[in-house]
Amino acid sequence: QKEVEQNSGPLSVPEGAIASLNCTYSDRGSQSFFWYRQYSGKSPELIMFIYSNGDKEDGRFTAQLNKASQYVSLLIRDSQPSDSATYLCAVNKGYQKVTFGTGTKLQVIP
Amino acid sequence: EADIYQTPRYLVIGTGKKITLECSQTMGHDKMYWYQQDPGMELHLIHYSYGVNSTEKGDLSSESTVSRIRTEHFPLTLESARPSHTSQYLCASSGFNEQFFGPGTRLTVL
Repeated sequence: QKEVEQNSGPLSVPEGAIASLNCTYSDRGSQSFFWYRQYSGKSPELIMFIYSNGDKEDGRFTAQLNKASQYVSLLIRDSQPSDSATYLCAVNKGYQKVTFGTGTKLQVIP
Repeated sequence: EADIYQTPRYLVIGTGKKITLECSQTMGHDKMYWYQQDPGMELHLIHYSYGVNSTEKGDLSSESTVSRIRTEHFPLTLESARPSHTSQYLCASSGFNEQFFGPGTRLTVL
């Protein structure tokens, strides 16, 4: 079992819809959770981080964390074609080394 | 402006050459990382450092070496480049938990 698992996609959503990206992790001791966006040929860009159970909102993005279920998700409201990218989930177990998932490719259809 | 820099951005080189990929950050971060990523594939951690004179190998075996003589500088060296080293190399730094990435170096070994 991988430490951080994501569906590789592609996840296709129409423009204006809500995109829901999911990630599960195996280590119950994980403490910090991150979402990165990576456009093709570019480096990853941090878009959200969450440490506590519940929801955290930033503009059109909402990160959701459920430690009991070992599950973290990213919701993108009012999806735009410019949101089309690969979204990487990353987990920190508390000693600074972050483990990245393989990423979910999101396609927003105009 | 606080940032993380990588040079060169693109490098095409012949087999057997020694190369050094440069990474510098002006963010005041103690922790720095090197990742390798093939197109459309996942990130692989190859080296990391938690401070000056501290370097560790990552999860992916690599023939490269790193040094950390100054906090802001974390160069990666390949003593003898081979076609199997063709990839994108991403440098990152972190202060507390979040990692920030440089623009990457795309290396092609002929």
